[in-house]
Amino acid sequence: GAGVSQSPSNKVTEKGKDVELRCDPISGHTALYWYRQSLGQGLEFLIYFQGNSAPDKSGLPSDRFSAERTGGSVSTLTIQRTQQEDSAVYLCASSFRGALLFEQYFGPGTRLTVT
Amino acid sequence: GNSVTQMEGPVTLSEEAFLTINCTYTATGYPSLFWYVQYPGEGLQLLLKATKADDKGSNKGFEATYRKETTSFHLEKGSVQVSDSAVYFCASGGQAGTALIFGKGTTLSVSS
Repeated sequence: GAGVSQSPSNKVTEKGKDVELRCDPISGHTALYWYRQSLGQGLEFLIYFQGNSAPDKSGLPSDRFSAERTGGSVSTLTIQRTQQEDSAVYLCASSFRGALLFEQYFGPGTRLTVT
Repeated sequence: GNSVTQMEGPVTLSEEAFLTINCTYTATGYPSLFWYVQYPGEGLQLLLKATKADDKGSNKGFEATYRKETTSFHLEKGSVQVSDSAVYFCASGGQAGTALIFGKGTTLSVSS
């Protein structure tokens, strides 16, 4: 079946512009996560959605970052006024439920380059 | 806060060599522990996991044992193959019990 998909796969933007990154989770998965993979820094948790509950935004690095999840499915991560330090691969993952006993399935990521 | 530390790479081995990638964690309580693998050009995949102390996760010839006394979850494989070349990430359950906390990743390169 279809896995987690993300778009675009690559995005190059100028410093100061806003960008939107999209994630389509696996159908039926209620939990959705965004992570950021920076060179030499590993993966960093950004935000987590579980069903209709308020999202856990504790990992967002600044108020320039926000995310929405519409209809409990597709999610959009928005970065406003991008900075060069925002350059990274942004990964989305989903799981059947928001508990660690359930495997998180990762998408291929969006590589963001801020020039 | 919680954290995961894994050995820095790259690790370069010949085919059929023994592999160990060290991973230690700090956490309040007893998190679940995971190894994820990222093959070239692909997304992260769960390799194995352990949910409580002394559990051993295993998959594709890889093993890791949850050691509470040493707060470790070292990844081992007795005989690596060229196809094992990838980046390996150790991860633990976060404080909220939801998001994962990852190590920085270890690149493994296996030559024939």
